[in-house]
Amino acid sequence: EIVLTQSPGTLSLSPGERVTLSCRASQSVSSTFLAWYQQKPGQAPRLLIYGASSRATGIPDRFSGSGSGTDFTLTISGLEPEDFAVYYCQQYGSSPMYSFGQGTKLEIK
Amino acid sequence: QVQLVESGGGVVQPGRSLRLSCAASGFTFTSFAMHWVRQPPGKGLQWVAIISGDGRVAYYADSVKGRFTISRDNSKNTVFLQMNSLKTEDTAVYYCAKDAAGYGSFDFWGQGALVTVSS
Repeated sequence: EIVLTQSPGTLSLSPGERVTLSCRASQSVSSTFLAWYQQKPGQAPRLLIYGASSRATGIPDRFSGSGSGTDFTLTISGLEPEDFAVYYCQQYGSSPMYSFGQGTKLEIK
Repeated sequence: QVQLVESGGGVVQPGRSLRLSCAASGFTFTSFAMHWVRQPPGKGLQWVAIISGDGRVAYYADSVKGRFTISRDNSKNTVFLQMNSLKTEDTAVYYCAKDAAGYGSFDFWGQGALVTVSS
């Protein structure tokens, strides 16, 4: 069973700062099948990154994804006020068929 | 534009049944698999089930296998989740989501339907 572990659990940052979020898999994950989502309170998740590094439609270029194998990162270069939210990584391919990390919460410092 | 609208949530007693619906528009429905993903209150996301575009193939998370059934009516662009033998731990917001073909991710989500299992 593949477990995705995100770190840190919570980050307190100021607008304008650069942040890198980590997602580590317990077994190798194909880059094609690694995605990142943003979720704000009371809203559905929104796809940010698919295929580890491709931005979804309409996602600003301050969001970027990278990584391979067991280590993946989401970087936001210059936090905007609307970026404070919870971020989840997600994989497809192994038991369980689809799984999510536990999330990283970005909060305003 | 893609729209997914869930309905059918509510409060139900343990052991009873409930059926969720998700009406889709804005894309060629039969060309895409569809998913249900749930989120217990204050917790993270859990994948529940997937159904292929033609409705012939479905897979489930172990936690719901044998109790939940995903189906779709392609004539009405609607996907369903029949939930039987509900447990208190099934309490969650249930989202329907469109499959991002070829990438194993979910590119559009509905607004969610709250299911509360409580006596």
